[in-house]
Amino acid sequence: GDSVTQMEGPVTLSEEAFLTINCTYTATGYPSLFWYVQYPGEGLQLLLKATKADDKGSNKGFEATYRKETTSFHLEKGSVQVSDSAVYFCALLEAAGNKLTFGGGTRVLVKP
Amino acid sequence: GAVVSQHPSRVICKSGTSVKIECRSLDFQATTMFWYRQFPKQSLMLMATSNEGSKATYEQGVEKDKFLINHASLTLSTLTVTSAHPEDSSFYICSAQRTGFTDTQYFGPGTRLTVL
Repeated sequence: GDSVTQMEGPVTLSEEAFLTINCTYTATGYPSLFWYVQYPGEGLQLLLKATKADDKGSNKGFEATYRKETTSFHLEKGSVQVSDSAVYFCALLEAAGNKLTFGGGTRVLVKP
Repeated sequence: GAVVSQHPSRVICKSGTSVKIECRSLDFQATTMFWYRQFPKQSLMLMATSNEGSKATYEQGVEKDKFLINHASLTLSTLTVTSAHPEDSSFYICSAQRTGFTDTQYFGPGTRLTVL
């Protein structure tokens, strides 16, 4: 079945540092890929998405590129802020269905 | 747009009682909604897929008689945890798909259930 693997956290950074969270996937067909963010005590918010190979999703300074050849969708941000402290989930949506498969989540803590 | 609400945000109940959680899409119609469960510091586990006007589809290992799902309208799905026990304590999150668009789910803020 489909699966998503992302780097374990926590990731602790200083403000303005560069952030990368690795995400790789296994799927049949051509899934859509997502990054969701969860702030403490809240539900998930869609951060960005990509629906086909080589697509780049971007939002709030975050970027991720759908790499079919490496089955990856790594999340990057050039300069993080304290407000970026949250748990980030990589997910895929199977091509022929509507179920999301989530990675384990990566907790990011940005210190001032 | 695409706002999903859940009510209540937190609930504490005694063991053996039932608790109902509502999930509403506020500004769009959602033929399909999903219910997830999240344990502390863990990822989301899909419990069931709820389709308006039909029976929910439960994931393997989820007791359908314990977690009752009703999706009676295009903007409301409810999850009822029947005869709750302490092991049912968890964070329950719903999501909704805009009717006709299957590529994105919009998530509610979650409901923290504590069973004493």
